[in-house]
Amino acid sequence: AQKVTQTQTSISVVEKTTVTMDCVYETRDSSYFLFWYKQTASGEIVFLIRQDSYKKENATVGHYSLNFQKPKSSIGLIITATQIEDSAVYFCAMRNNYAQGLTFGLGTRVSVFP
Amino acid sequence: GGIITQTPKFLIGQEGQKLTLKCQQNFNHDTMYWYRQDSGKGLRLIYYSITENDLQKGDLSEGYDASREKKSSFSLTVTSAQKNEMAVFLCASSMDSTNERLFFGHGTKLSVL
Repeated sequence: AQKVTQTQTSISVVEKTTVTMDCVYETRDSSYFLFWYKQTASGEIVFLIRQDSYKKENATVGHYSLNFQKPKSSIGLIITATQIEDSAVYFCAMRNNYAQGLTFGLGTRVSVFP
Repeated sequence: GGIITQTPKFLIGQEGQKLTLKCQQNFNHDTMYWYRQDSGKGLRLIYYSITENDLQKGDLSEGYDASREKKSSFSLTVTSAQKNEMAVFLCASSMDSTNERLFFGHGTKLSVL
């Protein structure tokens, strides 16, 4: 069975700084896919970024980047130059080659202050 | 672009009642999902469907039925609402079952009296 753990329940940062969120996962499969999603205050959930397990390079999209440490089963999300609108709950998720649907972590609430 | 529409936005039911939630997508996506979100418990997969008339159980399928009669729609039925139950049900779709970039609806908030 897969498991995704986000230990940080909430993080507060000052605008324009960098925030890092942790996520560790458990799987027996050698091939799997990792994702980060953002849920805004309105409840809207949007896809942010993805890392495939076979890729060594960390994925980067805009001001989102990943810190993929495969030996540690870790996939951290880094947001640089944070903005007020980055305030949201961030979910880490994974899927292996055989399962359908995603397994989500409990989420980390990020609050960005001026 | 496209949109996922969930109806109703709010649903209040009575204990033991059968309740149906509906979801429509115009992305022309093959795969659709129903997730449940409880406060502090993240998202958990109830049912998914990889194509019209297909149904697959997720980890949380007990107590629910689903129906995918058309490619564009996916409905979820709570077979017997539990007293004081409160959760948000989220519908999502993806291009196919291997493309896990999910697009989510805004959710149906369920309260059971």
